[in-house]
Amino acid sequence: TQLLEQSPQFLSIQEGENLTVYCNSSSVFSSLQWYRQEPGEGPVLLVTVVTGGEVKKLKRLTFQFGDARKDSSLHITAAQPGDTGLYLCAGPNDMRFGAGTRLTVKP
Amino acid sequence: NAGVTQTPKFRVLKTGQSMTLLCAQDMNHEYMYWYRQDPGMGLRLIHYSVGEGTTAKGEVPDGYNVSRLKKQNFLLGLESAAPSQTSVYFCASSGGVAGVPDTQYFGPGTRLTVL
Repeated sequence: TQLLEQSPQFLSIQEGENLTVYCNSSSVFSSLQWYRQEPGEGPVLLVTVVTGGEVKKLKRLTFQFGDARKDSSLHITAAQPGDTGLYLCAGPNDMRFGAGTRLTVKP
Repeated sequence: NAGVTQTPKFRVLKTGQSMTLLCAQDMNHEYMYWYRQDPGMGLRLIHYSVGEGTTAKGEVPDGYNVSRLKKQNFLLGLESAAPSQTSVYFCASSGGVAGVPDTQYFGPGTRLTVL
């Protein structure tokens, strides 16, 4: 069983601020995925990271996979109200999700 | 192309009643999944299917049954609902190569309340 712990659980910031959220495990993952879920909807895939040390950018979002493939981070630059949502990390091979970070960006 | 659809969107049951949630996907995906989402606990896998006619237990299967008679449909049944099954239920589907599942596409969810 590969457990995924996400931190922080909640994050409330002002528009324009930067933030980082984390996904950690004691186990090694072959890959990790990040999803974003908006209220009343299902999660939507943002990115999949596969290689240890890999960095992927999606506009203002930067995803990093740890060198040992046990952890990952999501950094958002100049957050906007449209970034508000629940950010989930997942280990796709065992279909297990973290509890998520609920982000609120205030205008 | 509707993606993944779920019916119903909302349902209220009394303890002991039964119901079936329907999930349909039009992407010809082999893999289908049922999750429940509770506050502070993220998504937990109930059952999944790796192809038509197959089902397997996930992390929290007790109290639920599933069937995958057609490739495009995955049904989740509650035979005798309990208040602990109050939750938001999400269905998802994914393709995959060589037995490795790919990106999951989620439906909009079913909000179930058991009184």
